[in-house]
Amino acid sequence: EPEVTQTPSHQVTQMGQEVILRCVPISNHLYFYWYRQILGQKVEFLVSFYNNEISEKSEIFDDQFSVERPDGSNFTLKIRSTKLEDSAMYFCASRGQFSGEQYFGPGTRLTVT
Amino acid sequence: AQSVTQLDSHVSVSEGTPVLLRCNYSSSYSPSLFWYVQHPNKGLQLLLKYTSAATLVKGINGFEAEFKKSETSFHLTKPSAHMSDAAEYFCVVTDRGYNQGGKLIFGQGTELSVKP
Repeated sequence: EPEVTQTPSHQVTQMGQEVILRCVPISNHLYFYWYRQILGQKVEFLVSFYNNEISEKSEIFDDQFSVERPDGSNFTLKIRSTKLEDSAMYFCASRGQFSGEQYFGPGTRLTVT
Repeated sequence: AQSVTQLDSHVSVSEGTPVLLRCNYSSSYSPSLFWYVQHPNKGLQLLLKYTSAATLVKGINGFEAEFKKSETSFHLTKPSAHMSDAAEYFCVVTDRGYNQGGKLIFGQGTELSVKP
């Protein structure tokens, strides 16, 4: 069964450093999403991406964040200068064209020290 | 704006007894609702979905949920809990129609514990 994959599973970085979180969505999906979950809090939407551009972004998704689909398979989230409050589990999701379900990856736990 | 409220942060049941995880929603139009499950160190897995068809929705692993518009509820049930059901469960609503690609809005989550 096809699934969304994410790498790395755990990333530790120092404050101010850049990180790139990688996702491989399900191959025939066209819509891509990033969500995050700070420990003890709700899962919250960051950004959606379709047709090589951002469809929607939340207030959290400021200029420090960017997304890219550099090739036909990967979907990345970059944080340019990490802050302590960026520590969270980051989930990637993808969706097919004619379906409302979003399929999630296992997440990347980002720890900023 | 769409939102969901999960009424219990933690539910504990004995193996073989029924499970009830409660969720209320708020929506300005007919919502699309989901339940997702997250096992430890795993991703979010879709259990079931409601998209304005049948109000009683059956999902995987014996779970089902009933959409009750009059009560604005979408509670998740299972007749008999299994040890493998221990996980975090999320009630989720979309911010627009089912096929319109909207973002998912999550509840706070309910941790289900199953005692032997």
